[in-house]
Amino acid sequence: DAGITQSPRHKVTETGTPVTLRCHQTENHRYMYWYRQDPGHGLRLIHYSYGVKDTDKGEVSDGYSVSRSKTEDFLLTLESATSSQTSVYFCAISEAVYSYEQYFGPGTRLTVT
Amino acid sequence: AQSVSQHNHHVILSEAASLELGCNYSYGGTVNLFWYVQYPGQHLQLLLKYFSGDPLVKGIKGFEAEFIKSKFSFNLRKPSVQWSDTAEYFCAVINAGNMLTFGGGTRLMVKP
Repeated sequence: DAGITQSPRHKVTETGTPVTLRCHQTENHRYMYWYRQDPGHGLRLIHYSYGVKDTDKGEVSDGYSVSRSKTEDFLLTLESATSSQTSVYFCAISEAVYSYEQYFGPGTRLTVT
Repeated sequence: AQSVSQHNHHVILSEAASLELGCNYSYGGTVNLFWYVQYPGQHLQLLLKYFSGDPLVKGIKGFEAEFIKSKFSFNLRKPSVQWSDTAEYFCAVINAGNMLTFGGGTRLMVKP
C-alpha cells in the first residue's frame, strides 16, 4: 500500500465551525488530490495540487480551500462547515496526472450537524 | 467535459455466477481508463488500468476489462464471483485535457 495517511479518520462538527483535514504522504509524489465520496456520485474532485504552493480547483471546490506548504502534506479546510459537506473525504496521490494511477488514502468520515 | 456512466447501480449475484459491469464514457479522444474497487470500510484500490495496447486488460483477483473504442466502453468482467468480491466498483477515465473523472459506482453483493 502507498504511504498515505489521513487525519482525523472520523470527525463530527457543528454547522459554521471551521474544519481542517490533513493528508500526509511518504511517497514523494508530485500530485495530491482531495475528493469527496457521496452515494450515487462516485468520487468528485474538490482541489488538487501539482507542487508545493501550487493548487487548483476541481469540480466541487465551493466552500473548500487547500494548502500545500510541504511536498508531503496537503490540507483541506472547510471555512464554515455546512450539512451539505457531510461526506467521506479521500486524499489521493500520483506521480503525474496522465498515464499514472492514483493511490488513495483511508478516508475521513466527516459529519456536520 | 468528460463524463462516466455506470448503468448498474446495484448488482446481486450468487457465488460462481459471471459478472459484467458496464462503463461508458463521453470523451472521443485518447483516454486512460481505470477500474477501482472499494471493499466495505476500506479505501479505493486499483483493479486494473488501460493506457494503450491490447484492449483486453487483466487485473488482480481474476478481473478483466475490455476497451471498445467504438462504443466508448470499458466493461469489467469476472467469470466466477466469490463472496469476497462484495464491494463497490468504480470506473474512472482521464484524458489529456481533464482530471480523473469517476462514475457513480456499482455496489456488488455476492450471496454465498
